[in-house]
Amino acid sequence: LAKTTQPISMDSYEGQEVNITCSHNNIATNDYITWYQQFPSQGPRFIIQGYKTKVTNEVASLFIPADRKSSTLSLPRVSLSDTAVYYCLVGDMFSGGYNKLIFGAGTRLAVHP
Amino acid sequence: ETGVTQSPTHLIKTRGQQVTLRCSSQSGHNTVSWYQQALGQGPQFIFQYYREEENGRGNFPPRFSGLQFPNYSSELNVNALELDDSALYLCASSLAGGEFYEQYFGPGTRLTVT
Repeated sequence: LAKTTQPISMDSYEGQEVNITCSHNNIATNDYITWYQQFPSQGPRFIIQGYKTKVTNEVASLFIPADRKSSTLSLPRVSLSDTAVYYCLVGDMFSGGYNKLIFGAGTRLAVHP
Repeated sequence: ETGVTQSPTHLIKTRGQQVTLRCSSQSGHNTVSWYQQALGQGPQFIFQYYREEENGRGNFPPRFSGLQFPNYSSELNVNALELDDSALYLCASSLAGGEFYEQYFGPGTRLTVT
């Protein structure tokens, strides 16, 4: 499974756009890129998933360049409630019939007033 | 739609004891995965159950075992508890063959081993 590297922590202010970049140099052809969010004392929550180019949903956007060796999660106009740990995951959706999620240490985002 | 629930919320055990943690899947989901999350780290995959059979396992010793029941609920059993087993244990349910690499996590059980 491809290893991911992302910043340990980031700080932002309310109303700003936050971009968290994840590096996954060894991504394989069948691998998808998925982001999860985790608040303290809660389980992780799926945010967005993509394979290439750009994906957007009501929560975030995911930008994936053509070589797919990195990806950027973009959170528009963050609020204090976006303070959380964000995990970038890379995995093969068709791997042996089961899907285990491989989490790294994640990026701790702190949003300030 | 009922989300993933776990019980108990918190648990304190002594080294060497055994513990059973429980999980109820989200309605309609047939796959359950268990993860261990140590303080300050990301969740680590323990194993996954599909149709009552273990369907994949992470790097955890055999004293970590599980069950899945016909209603897709699940148990995680840990024997001979060690101090390093202190962690948040997360259960996640999903639908095999689902479109996204998406699992729905419960709130977790905080296990403390003394």
